[in-house]
Amino acid sequence: NAGVTQTPKFQVLKTGQSMTLQCAQDMNHEYMSWYRQDPGMGLRLIHYSVGAGITDQGEVPNGYNVSRSTTEDFPLRLLSAAPSQTSVYFCASSFGQGVNEQFFGPGTRLTVL
Amino acid sequence: AQSVAQPEDQVNVAEGNPLTVKCTYSVSGNPYLFWYVQYPNRGLQFLLKYITGDNLVKGSYGFEAEFNKSQTSFHLKKPSALVSDSALYFCAVSGGNFNKFYFGSGTKLNVKP
Repeated sequence: NAGVTQTPKFQVLKTGQSMTLQCAQDMNHEYMSWYRQDPGMGLRLIHYSVGAGITDQGEVPNGYNVSRSTTEDFPLRLLSAAPSQTSVYFCASSFGQGVNEQFFGPGTRLTVL
Repeated sequence: AQSVAQPEDQVNVAEGNPLTVKCTYSVSGNPYLFWYVQYPNRGLQFLLKYITGDNLVKGSYGFEAEFNKSQTSFHLKKPSALVSDSALYFCAVSGGNFNKFYFGSGTKLNVKP
């Protein structure tokens, strides 16, 4: 199993550009989530999904969109990037819902100029 | 509102000595508590969790954590630290909506030989 994979590993954007961060898992996990990690602030939940076709907002959803058309994939879209979105982004998945351990991807380091 | 506090940005300990990384939480209802570890340029890895039952939880790599409901704490401990334990440690909680996780700001553990 590859586990949780994320692409790209690094990305530089200009303000106003759009892009999609890809996340995939091959463990048949129902629950998937996106976090951003900023120095001194830990991880903050952006969006999460409890199954295909079901998504909901986390703690910091503004500026980000998600969709979940399949169990395996959970892309994160930035429609109009802003410097405040410079961060490291992690995708995670778990079997079932909140009581279970999450498996994290390796992260995407995004810089918005 | 749910929140997690890790009061120490950094903990320094000598190899072979016991270590404690502190975590306190605020959550509505019963908490689900987790500890994760992050090595440089990697995603987070699960260490242990408390859902219910025995207040002392044992996890991976010899780590354990003690749930204290009256003090709303979930401190991570290890009887004898290793240099290889040096990493960034995160406490996380979910409660109320068990699909939403809240992470602390992280504690950097430095174990010196």
